[in-house]
Amino acid sequence: GQQVMQIPQYQHVQEGEDFTTYCNSSTTLSNIQWYKQRPGGHPVFLIQLVKSGEVKKQKRLTFQFGEAKKNSSLHITATQTTDVGTYFCAENGDKIIFGKGTRLHILP
Amino acid sequence: NAGVTQTPKFQVLKTGQSMTLQCAQDMNHEYMSWYRQDPGMGLRLIHYSVGAGITDQGEVPNGYNVSRSTTEDFPLRLLSAAPSQTSVYFCASGRVLGNSPLHFGNGTRLTVT
Repeated sequence: GQQVMQIPQYQHVQEGEDFTTYCNSSTTLSNIQWYKQRPGGHPVFLIQLVKSGEVKKQKRLTFQFGEAKKNSSLHITATQTTDVGTYFCAENGDKIIFGKGTRLHILP
Repeated sequence: NAGVTQTPKFQVLKTGQSMTLQCAQDMNHEYMSWYRQDPGMGLRLIHYSVGAGITDQGEVPNGYNVSRSTTEDFPLRLLSAAPSQTSVYFCASGRVLGNSPLHFGNGTRLTVT
């Protein structure tokens, strides 16, 4: 069935270091959406990628969609304490199925 | 503009009890859905609806019922609560299924003893 795999499950980084989470699928994705959930909060939409090879940036966040549309990544440059949370990817297709997320911890 | 409103925020049930989790959105979204979130399991889709009068099953539908009599409301019913249904439940809506961002409610934390 429709499934997206996300790695790593957890990531600890020192404040100021970079962080990357990856989303992979065995099938071609129609699109990929990224969400952020702060501790104790609800998921909040960050961005959607649709085109093969697409790259989008939001300040320190860079989102990529693979050429084959089977993988995506979210890269954060110079992490800050406000980046703490869980990052989810999801394909918004026939159903919206989420990856299990990557929980980011920032060490001060 | 309230967005997606879920009630209650917290609920404790005894095994076998029934209850309804309420979800309402005021954005005229066609798509609505329910997810449960458990540690290490991410967000799992329970049921979804692409419009009033239409519902369909997600990944983990057993033990839950839904209905969509209006565009605004999408209640989730637990017919006979079980401890395995202890979880945080999120309702989410989107303009349409396929390309629209999801807007999430604040969640309902349910404990079944």
